[in-house]
Amino acid sequence: SAVISQKPSRDICQRGTSLTIQCQVDSQVTMMFWYRQQPGQSLTLIATANQGSEATYESGFVIDKFPISRPNLTFSTLTVSNLSPEDSSIYLCSVDLGGAEAFFGQGTRLTVV
Amino acid sequence: QKEVEQDPGPLSVPEGAIVSLNCTYSNSAFQYFMWYRQYSRKGPELLMYTYSSGNKEDGRFTAQVDKSSKYISLFIRDSQPSDSATYLCAMMSDTGGFKTIFGAGTRLFVKA
Repeated sequence: SAVISQKPSRDICQRGTSLTIQCQVDSQVTMMFWYRQQPGQSLTLIATANQGSEATYESGFVIDKFPISRPNLTFSTLTVSNLSPEDSSIYLCSVDLGGAEAFFGQGTRLTVV
Repeated sequence: QKEVEQDPGPLSVPEGAIVSLNCTYSNSAFQYFMWYRQYSRKGPELLMYTYSSGNKEDGRFTAQVDKSSKYISLFIRDSQPSDSATYLCAMMSDTGGFKTIFGAGTRLFVKA
């Protein structure tokens, strides 16, 4: 299994600012995933982060808005930039260990005011 | 049409009831079928995992997959208040980058 530490667990941010979310895994993993979870909607994959290369973004998500870093095999950050109220959501990082099971961090609840 | 459809609920049942949670899907390439449980203010955690069709049982939980109908179910027997959570179905194919597609989640409340 994998243990993921994600922080902050929650934050309230002003519009136009940015929030950086950190994700630390207790083992080395090839891919880390960033999801958004909006109320009543399914987990939506934002991007896949591989160490040593640029993240791969899903349709509707762009690097300028959601820059991602992956400096090593146990750590990643997601920044949500130029915040607007529509960005209020839960953001989750996730890893898999080669099987179908995904392991998640506890999530970051972002409120933009 | 969404690839995975799941009724968001909420579903409220008395303690001891049998709970049935369901998802339908449109992509016949899905081979891995998962159920995740998510407690409030926590990340999802894997509850059950099935490959291809059939049933799988683990204690009070049974997962069923009917690929011909593109329909999966999770049954909870003798439900407990501690089962109160959001249950998300998830699916993945062997191809296409092994991307996991999640349902919206069903909120379950088990009343003591």
